[in-house]
Amino acid sequence: GNSVTQMEGPVTLSEEAFLTINCTYTATGYPSLFWYVQYPGEGLQLLLKATKADDKGSNKGFEATYRKETTSFHLEKGSVQVSDSAVYFCALSDRGSSNTGKLIFGQGTTLQVKP
Amino acid sequence: SAVISQKPSRDICQRGTSLTIQCQVDSQVTMMFWYRQQPGQSLTLIATANQGSEATYESGFVIDKFPISRPNLTFSTLTVSNMSPEDSSIYLCSVGQGSYEQYFGPGTRLTVT
Repeated sequence: GNSVTQMEGPVTLSEEAFLTINCTYTATGYPSLFWYVQYPGEGLQLLLKATKADDKGSNKGFEATYRKETTSFHLEKGSVQVSDSAVYFCALSDRGSSNTGKLIFGQGTTLQVKP
Repeated sequence: SAVISQKPSRDICQRGTSLTIQCQVDSQVTMMFWYRQQPGQSLTLIATANQGSEATYESGFVIDKFPISRPNLTFSTLTVSNMSPEDSSIYLCSVGQGSYEQYFGPGTRLTVT
């Protein structure tokens, strides 16, 4: 079945450091891929998305490229800020024959950025 | 994107009681979903709320425990029945839009004592 695997956290970085959070997936067909962010005490916000191979999603300085050959969708940011501290979830959509629109989430990666 | 609200935002309930969570969307949407996020965990889909028909439940979730209503295209409720401490979680509703993305409500934080 479809699944998403994220690197384990927590990830602790100093402000202005480079961020990479790894995400790989297993899926039949051609899923859409997403990164969601959950700030402390809040719900999930869609950070970025990519709908087909080689697409690059970007938002708020974050980027991720849909790599079909490596089944990956790694999240990157060149210079993190304290305000980026949150939990980041990688997810894929179920776009199989049932086309249910379900999202399958990775386990989440906690990012803590220190001043 | 749609604006989604949930009520209540949090509650503390006693074992054996039930709680109904409301989800309201500011526009008509076809697909609505209910998720559970246990403490420190990822999200698990409970069910898809279908307008005008019964909800579609995921493996491990049953209608008797989590009855869902979807009376129209902007509103849904999830009831957590006969609660136990293991039901302490954040419950989130979401709506499907666009290229299969979903937008989430702020969540309902439930603590069962």
